[in-house]
Amino acid sequence: GENVEQHPSTLSVQEGDSAVIKCTYSDSASNYFPWYKQELGKRPQLIIDIRSNVGEKKDQRIAVTLNKTAKHFSLHITETQPEDSAVYFCAASGYNFNKFYFGSGTKLNVKP
Amino acid sequence: SAVISQKPSRDICQRGTSLTIQCQVDSQVTMMFWYRQQPGQSLTLIATANQGSEATYESGFVIDKFPISRPNLTFSTLTVSNMSPEDSSIYLCSVGDPDRANYGYTFGSGTRLTVV
Repeated sequence: GENVEQHPSTLSVQEGDSAVIKCTYSDSASNYFPWYKQELGKRPQLIIDIRSNVGEKKDQRIAVTLNKTAKHFSLHITETQPEDSAVYFCAASGYNFNKFYFGSGTKLNVKP
Repeated sequence: SAVISQKPSRDICQRGTSLTIQCQVDSQVTMMFWYRQQPGQSLTLIATANQGSEATYESGFVIDKFPISRPNLTFSTLTVSNMSPEDSSIYLCSVGDPDRANYGYTFGSGTRLTVV
């Protein structure tokens, strides 16, 4: 099955700085890559996703980049705010979106 | 995205008993999955719930321990059987539909299970 690795496990930034979280995947057939934000005690919430035919996608302060050749994708958060503090998970889909494998998570702490 | 109702939200159960968790979606969805998330950990896929047929289980999970039903495109149940304290975890259903243009795989609110 797919193996998704995520780094770093924890990330601490000053408010207003940028944060970058990186993931690699093993299955070259994976074709959909969502990112989830999970606040303490809550369900994971989809914040952005990218398909394999796109190299970059942006939504306000959040962007995701994908390098299919290298099999890695990254989440970029600009102008971080304290409310961005949470655990972020990357995921990769199997063929035909039939399942998702998650990275180990990154705990982001934005210091005011 | 779909609205998911998952229940119960939490339960405390005696070892050796079973608990059935329900996941109800407000619209028909192609894909339904069940995940387990232990405290401070990532999400581990238990199985894909297939409508009208047996679920597809991931390595390390078996039907006798985690029987799953999916009688239609809006409902699924996960049973945790013959529970032990090691089964204490949060169980989440997730749904999505890759055929829709702007789909997103969303999660239920989770069931926090404690086995004593």
